[in-house]
Amino acid sequence: GNSVTQMEGPVTLSEEAFLTINCTYTATGYPSLFWYVQYPGEGLQLLLKATKADDKGSNKGFEATYRKETTSFHLEKGSVQVSDSAVYFCALTTSTGNTPLVFGKGTRLSVIA
Amino acid sequence: GAVVSQHPSRVICKSGTSVKIECRSLDFQATTMFWYRQFPKKSLMLMATSNEGSKATYEQGVEKDKFLINHASLTLSTLTVTSAHPEDSSFYICSARATAGVNEQFFGPGTRLTVL
Repeated sequence: GNSVTQMEGPVTLSEEAFLTINCTYTATGYPSLFWYVQYPGEGLQLLLKATKADDKGSNKGFEATYRKETTSFHLEKGSVQVSDSAVYFCALTTSTGNTPLVFGKGTRLSVIA
Repeated sequence: GAVVSQHPSRVICKSGTSVKIECRSLDFQATTMFWYRQFPKKSLMLMATSNEGSKATYEQGVEKDKFLINHASLTLSTLTVTSAHPEDSSFYICSARATAGVNEQFFGPGTRLTVL
């Protein structure tokens, strides 16, 4: 079956540090890959996505590249800010029908000034 | 962009009462809606998938008589927590997928339920 594995948190970084959150997946077929962000007390927001191999999704300084050969979709940001403190979820789907997103367990990021 | 709303955002109720949570897709038609539950500092747990005009499909371990889901139109799904108890306290999040051809899910802001 489909599954997503992402690095365990929490991750604590100083402001302006480089961020990497690892995400690997197992899927049948050709999945679309997503990163969602959840700020404290809020729902999930789509951060970025990639729908095919070698695609790079980017938004708000965050980037992730769909690597089919390593089945990975690692999230990176060159310089984090305190406002980036949130929980980040990697997810995939292989269908446009009734199949819901499959989520990783989430990685909590805390950025300190 | 596609917007999904939830109402209420927070609700506090007494044990034994029922609570209804609404999920609306504001600017698109959603043939499929998903309901998730999230415990503190945990990931999202899929509760059920609902399609407009048909019965919801519940995940294993989720009581369908406890968590009633109705998807009466292409823009509205409701989750009713019946005879709520303190262990039902949680953050409930709905998600909607537009009609065929789009594989992205759009999430509501969530509803925090506290049962006293």
